[in-house]
Amino acid sequence: DAGVIQSPRHEVTEMGQEVTLRCKPISGHNSLFWYRQTMMRGLELLIYFNNNVPIDDSGMPEDRFSAKMPNASFSTLKIQPSEPRDSAVYFCASSWGPQAVSNEQYFGPGTRLTVT
Amino acid sequence: GDSVTQMEGPVTLSEEAFLTINCTYTATGYPSLFWYVQYPGEGLQLLLKATKADDKGSNKGFEATYRKETTSFHLEKGSVQVSDSAVYFCALSDQNTNAGKSTFGDGTTLTVKP
Repeated sequence: DAGVIQSPRHEVTEMGQEVTLRCKPISGHNSLFWYRQTMMRGLELLIYFNNNVPIDDSGMPEDRFSAKMPNASFSTLKIQPSEPRDSAVYFCASSWGPQAVSNEQYFGPGTRLTVT
Repeated sequence: GDSVTQMEGPVTLSEEAFLTINCTYTATGYPSLFWYVQYPGEGLQLLLKATKADDKGSNKGFEATYRKETTSFHLEKGSVQVSDSAVYFCALSDQNTNAGKSTFGDGTTLTVKP
């Protein structure tokens, strides 16, 4: 089992540029989560998908952020335009979903985003 | 809504010391409880879990017991090692009320010195 795969692992970009983060969940999992982690704010849930449908996007900070899940094996988180305050580590996680007996989450290694 | 409160860190211990990290929760339903660990530069990974009251989760020498009467899930280890240095997150997931999301505590940083 390859686990949750995220790419790129590191991204450095200039303010104003578009950034796309990618995630491949564990095969068979039907829930996917995007988190952001910073020293100041800790771990924040941005958006949550179940069966490829966005269920809760209340954590998305503003309209510059968007996320899609076109199929069960791929999701993207896009920031356009990026700003220095978006610098953080972004994690993707997947789980068996709300109907599972135990729905612990499996996290990817994260994408460290630096916006200059 | 659901919430998780963890003992504030950072926690610094000497090798072979006893570890306790307190965690209490508030939930309207009957949640599953988890401890996750995050090593430097990595994502969170599940350390242990308990799905119902009085269950004890255990892994790698760590233990935690689901106490419904005190709404707690304290993490313990009898003898810590330098390799246990990491950030520990307590979390809950209530399948009946939050549609599969988990609520995480703020994390407790543990440093073990040789």
